[in-house]
Parts: sequence; structure tokens; C-alpha cells
Amino acid sequence: NAGVMQNPRHLVRRRGQEARLRCSPMKGHSHVYWYRQLPEEGLKFMVYLQKENIIDESGMPKERFSAEFPKEGPSILRIQQVVRGDSAAYFCASSPGRDETQYFGPGTRLLVL
Amino acid sequence: GQQLNQSPQSMFIQEGEDVSMNCTSSSIFNTWLWYKQDPGEGPVLLIALYKAGELTSNGRLTAQFGITRKDSFLNISASIPSDVGIYFCAGQFKDSGTYKYIFGTGTRLKVLA
Repeated sequence: NAGVMQNPRHLVRRRGQEARLRCSPMKGHSHVYWYRQLPEEGLKFMVYLQKENIIDESGMPKERFSAEFPKEGPSILRIQQVVRGDSAAYFCASSPGRDETQYFGPGTRLLVL
Repeated sequence: GQQLNQSPQSMFIQEGEDVSMNCTSSSIFNTWLWYKQDPGEGPVLLIALYKAGELTSNGRLTAQFGITRKDSFLNISASIPSDVGIYFCAGQFKDSGTYKYIFGTGTRLKVLA
């Protein structure tokens, strides 16, 4: 049973470009969560999605960030017009139900030059 | 807002020693979780605790959910070099109908052979 998959593992972008991060949840999991981790810090919640719906986006910056989890395919975290401060590790987690244990992917490390 | 205080921030220990770390909060959580993160990887779940007072073991790891539901500790017995990494506690709470995780800032463990 494959775990949570994220790609790419590393992403380099220049300021102003767009970053697209993908997450495929574990088989049988329909709940996806995105977190951001800055160096030497813990993970900070960004957004919680269930198939085709955003349930909670209270941790998402109001501008430039968006997330989706379509009926078919992976969840996408999209960052438009990236800035240096967006450089971080972005982790996706999935769970089978809304209050069940979350399992994390390996993360995407975004570097903005 | 919810906050978790995790201590110690870092520790160097000799192989074979026991390790103890804890998380405290002024808020109540309904689930406590402990994760380990290796460099360049995502957090891996070690132990999940669901009831106040619960004491759970996973090999050399033991964790307890505090009676007040505001704290948890993780013990590692007879440490070995592969225990090196960052250990995060996470508390789950319900906010506006959705369940969220909040993470501690991590305990960085280094084991000297």
C-alpha cells in the first residue's frame, strides 16, 4: 500500500514565477491537508480539502495561494508570483476520515531565487 | 490561539541513554500524536494517543496523554544512533466543526555513539 506521494521533491523557481505542488493521498484516503514548514520550525496548517471541496483554508495566505483536490487526480497547491519568503518545505498529509490520523508525504522543498 | 510548547529544543545524548521530551499547552486536545522527521523527509507517525491518561508503547518508545489533556510526553529507552532526528508532538482539536493539528516546534535529538 503506497504512502502519500508528493512531487516534485525539490522545486526551484525565480521570483514572479508560478509553483505547482502535487499530492496523491494514500489509497482509500479522501481527506488531504497541506502544511508549510520553515527551517528550524514546526509544521503550520494551511488548508484542508476533501474531494472537490475546500473544508478549511484558515491557514492559507489570502493572496497568491490556492489549493484544489479534483474528483480525479492529485491535490494541487498552487503559488502564483512566488517571492523569496515562499521558500519552505510543503508537506501534504492524508487521512481516511475527517478526524482520523494524518499520514504525511515526503514533502516538496521550494526554493525561490 | 492554540500553542504547543515542546521541550527540550535539542539534546545530545550518549548511545544507550534514555530520552524524555514533552509538550504542554494551555489548551485541551482530544488527541496527541508524536512524529519523527528525518532530514529531507516528511514526519512519520510514531504513536497516537486518544484518551486522557493513556500510556502507549511502540518498541522502545513510550508516550502518555496527560490527565488534564493539556500535555504529553515521549520517552525513548536505550537510544541508538538511528534515533537521531527531529521529534514533533501534535495536538488535535476541533475548531468550527473541523479537526485540526497544531505542531510543536520540535526536539532535535543527536545520539553520540
